[in-house]
Amino acid sequence: QKEVEQDPGPLSVPEGAIVSLNCTYSNSAFQYFMWYRQYSRKGPELLMYTYSSGNKEDGRFTAQVDKSSKYISLFIRDSQPSDSATYLCAMEAQGAQKLVFGQGTRLTINP
Amino acid sequence: NAGVTQTPKFQVLKTGQSMTLQCAQDMNHNSMYWYRQDPGMGLRLIYYSASEGTTDKGEVPNGYNVSRLNKREFSLRLESAAPSQTSVYFCASSEEGGAWETQYFGPGTRLLVL
Repeated sequence: QKEVEQDPGPLSVPEGAIVSLNCTYSNSAFQYFMWYRQYSRKGPELLMYTYSSGNKEDGRFTAQVDKSSKYISLFIRDSQPSDSATYLCAMEAQGAQKLVFGQGTRLTINP
Repeated sequence: NAGVTQTPKFQVLKTGQSMTLQCAQDMNHNSMYWYRQDPGMGLRLIYYSASEGTTDKGEVPNGYNVSRLNKREFSLRLESAAPSQTSVYFCASSEEGGAWETQYFGPGTRLLVL
């Protein structure tokens, strides 16, 4: 069983929809949670970062962490075609110096 | 300021051939990483270097070697390529390697082993 599980999709939604992307994990030592966005044929770039449990909002993006359920989510409001990309969750335990990535979810926003 | 650069962008090898993937960063970062990305597997860490002069194995190190040539450069070598090493390889760097830090990724090298 992978430490981090992410539904690979693909996920296709109309422009303006609310998108929910999710990851589950098994390692209770994970404390740092990130979402990376990867456009086609590019390297990933950090989108959101959350420490421990709770919510974090940045514009149209909201990241949620529920450590009791070992579940993290990324919500995208008012989705735009420019949001079309692969979204990867990533996690790290304190002092581990290594990120563990999910498989990535390919998202397409249709105009 | 180019960030993280990787060469080559694309390479085709025959089974058994060797090659070195090059990575350089101009952000004065201490930590550097090599990942591979395969369909359905996400990014998997091959090796990392927490600082100049140190390297450590990641999740999938078999069949690879690395060299942290200096603070800027971190190379990945395939001594005898196998079809299972067909993948997209990404180099990344971060300031100190702390969990709270952003990792900056290069554009990737697409490798096909026949």
